[in-house]
Amino acid sequence: EVQLVQSGAEMKKPGESLKISCKASGYKFTDYWIGWVRQMPGKGLEWMGIFYPGDSDTKYSPSFQGQVTISADRSITTAYLQWSSLKASDSAMYYCARQGNSDGYSYGYDHWGQGALVTVSS
Amino acid sequence: DIVMTQSPDSLAVSLGERATINCKSSQSVLHSFNNKNYLAWYQQKPGQPPRLLIYWASNRESGVPDRFSGSGSGTDFTLTISSLQAEDVAVYYCQQSYYTPQTFGQGTKVEIK
Repeated sequence: EVQLVQSGAEMKKPGESLKISCKASGYKFTDYWIGWVRQMPGKGLEWMGIFYPGDSDTKYSPSFQGQVTISADRSITTAYLQWSSLKASDSAMYYCARQGNSDGYSYGYDHWGQGALVTVSS
Repeated sequence: DIVMTQSPDSLAVSLGERATINCKSSQSVLHSFNNKNYLAWYQQKPGQPPRLLIYWASNRESGVPDRFSGSGSGTDFTLTISSLQAEDVAVYYCQQSYYTPQTFGQGTKVEIK
């Protein structure tokens, strides 16, 4: 069974750093892209970026480029999203999700983590 | 960035009636190489992550009830719920994955009339 299990809720102060995780299991980690999606309170879904554990290829939305870093540790099949200096406006729910793949063609995000709520407040 | 525009923003439908949601992309998401539209539909219920319903515009994800169907090509797409059930109350999003950055529509809230 494919599972993506995210780390827990975080409460941080502005200026602090943070790294949240997404532990993948039930499939070959290096064969699928993993994306990150932000959802601010009461708002829609925003695509942040995507990472391919097979070769560490990474693509960012211009809206998030330079604001976050996406990475992964293949040895423990875990993807990460990190900030070096949080802002109050980073307060949101963050989801990791696996991009499906059929015959080499990608499609939608077929498995999602449960979400990690990040709250940034002084 | 490719802009995905959904309509309407919300709709109320009687139980058992049809619900139709439209999604328009600012550029075509049809890949000429494999003739696939890189357009997906998701359902999100309160307090839950999104759930993939439809991919490649018209392919139903495994386990999704057949009352959900997707159609369209190029820039214009539709998600149809043929007979609305109480458990279909949710926000629905379209998403394109042809271009980077990938982008979502703003969401359509479906309620019971």
